[in-house]
Amino acid sequence: AQSVAQPEDQVNVAEGNPLTVKCTYSVSGNPYLFWYVQYPNRGLQFLLKYITGDNLVKGSYGFEAEFNKSQTSFHLKKPSALVSDSALYFCAARGRAGNKLTFGGGTRVLVKP
Amino acid sequence: GAVVSQHPSWVICKSGTSVKIECRSLDFQATTMFWYRQFPKQSLMLMATSNEGSKATYEQGVEKDKFLINHASLTLSTLTVTSAHPEDSSFYICSATETSGGTGELFFGEGSRLTVL
Repeated sequence: AQSVAQPEDQVNVAEGNPLTVKCTYSVSGNPYLFWYVQYPNRGLQFLLKYITGDNLVKGSYGFEAEFNKSQTSFHLKKPSALVSDSALYFCAARGRAGNKLTFGGGTRVLVKP
Repeated sequence: GAVVSQHPSWVICKSGTSVKIECRSLDFQATTMFWYRQFPKQSLMLMATSNEGSKATYEQGVEKDKFLINHASLTLSTLTVTSAHPEDSSFYICSATETSGGTGELFFGEGSRLTVL
C-alpha cells in the first residue's frame, strides 16, 4: 500500500525567510508526486508536480520542490515566504499504474509578518 | 488550468433529509471523478471513484447506500448524502481528471460544507 508522510503538523516562519515543508512517500516504482495548497473553506489548488526528468520542479507562486529518490522525499520550498503563503499544504503521490492519489496529512504553514 | 465547479458551497439541512452535491468539469471532459471527505484540520479521505457510465468504486468503510454517487455524463458527477445525520456534517470535495491513467493531474472543486442539524 502506498503512503505519504508529512512529519510536521505546522511550520512557522517569519516573512522573508525560507520556507520548507517536508514530505516523504512510499510508493512502488517511480511515483508521480504533487503539492497542493488549501485556503480555509476552499478546495485544493495545484502548486506543482514531479513526473520525470529534472529533480527540481518549479511551480506556482514561487514554490519549488526537489525529488530525491534515494531518500524518497519531495520537500516543498520557497526562498522567501509571504504572509499570504499561510495555508494548509498537502503532498500527494500516486503510482504510475493507477489513478488514485494518496495524500499526506497536511502541514499548516504560518508566516508571521 | 482546468476548472471544476462544485455546488452548493454551503448547505444546511435537517436530520433525515437528503442532500445532493454537484461536481462539474467546466472546460474538459472528466473520465474519472473522485469524492473526498475532509474533517476539520485533517487530510482528505477518499470516499469513492466514479467513472462515467459505470458504478462508483467505494473505499473500504464508506457506505454505498449512504453516499450515492452518479456520474452520468463526462462533465457531471453527483454525490447524494441520503438520510443525513449530524455525523455526516463535513467538508466534501470533488476532483476530476481529464485522462484515465497518465500523469492524472487532479483538478479540485471548491468544496461543499454540509451541516446537518
